[in-house]
Amino acid sequence: SQQGEEDPQALSIQEGENATMNCSYKTSINNLQWYRQNSGRGLVHLILIRSNEREKHSGRLRVTLDTSKKSSSLLITASRAADTASYFCATTPQPGPMEYGNKLVFGAGTILRVKS
Amino acid sequence: KAGVTQTPRYLIKTRGQQVTLSCSPISGHRSVSWYQQTPGQGLQFLFEYFSETQRNKGNFPGRFSGRQFSNSRSEMNVSTLELGDSALYLCASSLDTAHEQFFGPGTRLTVL
Repeated sequence: SQQGEEDPQALSIQEGENATMNCSYKTSINNLQWYRQNSGRGLVHLILIRSNEREKHSGRLRVTLDTSKKSSSLLITASRAADTASYFCATTPQPGPMEYGNKLVFGAGTILRVKS
Repeated sequence: KAGVTQTPRYLIKTRGQQVTLSCSPISGHRSVSWYQQTPGQGLQFLFEYFSETQRNKGNFPGRFSGRQFSNSRSEMNVSTLELGDSALYLCASSLDTAHEQFFGPGTRLTVL
């Protein structure tokens, strides 16, 4: 089962515009990661934000985390055609008693298309 | 540093057969996790191994199993294949809990 819901499901923009994708989740988390996937290939790690962080930047990417609303957003600025891909958020839930480990719970993803 | 590698990249099997997939993590990473990706169910967690021990398991039937070797390489096995097992199987490696997980290119399994 998926913990996250991503919004929108699909997004089409022109090159140079900004793209914003949102992710909501259900349980308390240790961290949240964003990934990119091109055409059914492997997942490329974009950024990790911990539960005690509110915002992180990496190049053209900006991620925010609001643990009170259980939501995160990924902003890609000045998009390029090469940014066309599916984007997934993945949470690491806080483990329960006697639980360990590194399980990621994924959202359904946002399909981004950047037109040149 | 070399990334996560998975072999084979593509597999075609028939119902009832079994299959073994292999994953070599990034050097120094001791946690290896496996995920199944299908159009209908999305990305789902199968299991995680850390220092040769299964540390976490998802909601998959016992036909899905795995193991990890002392060099952190991992294998997953699916016995008695069903049509619904057709999927992209992804392996991820990590230093430990709460660190970034880096994924391999995946193995595309088709069950006929």
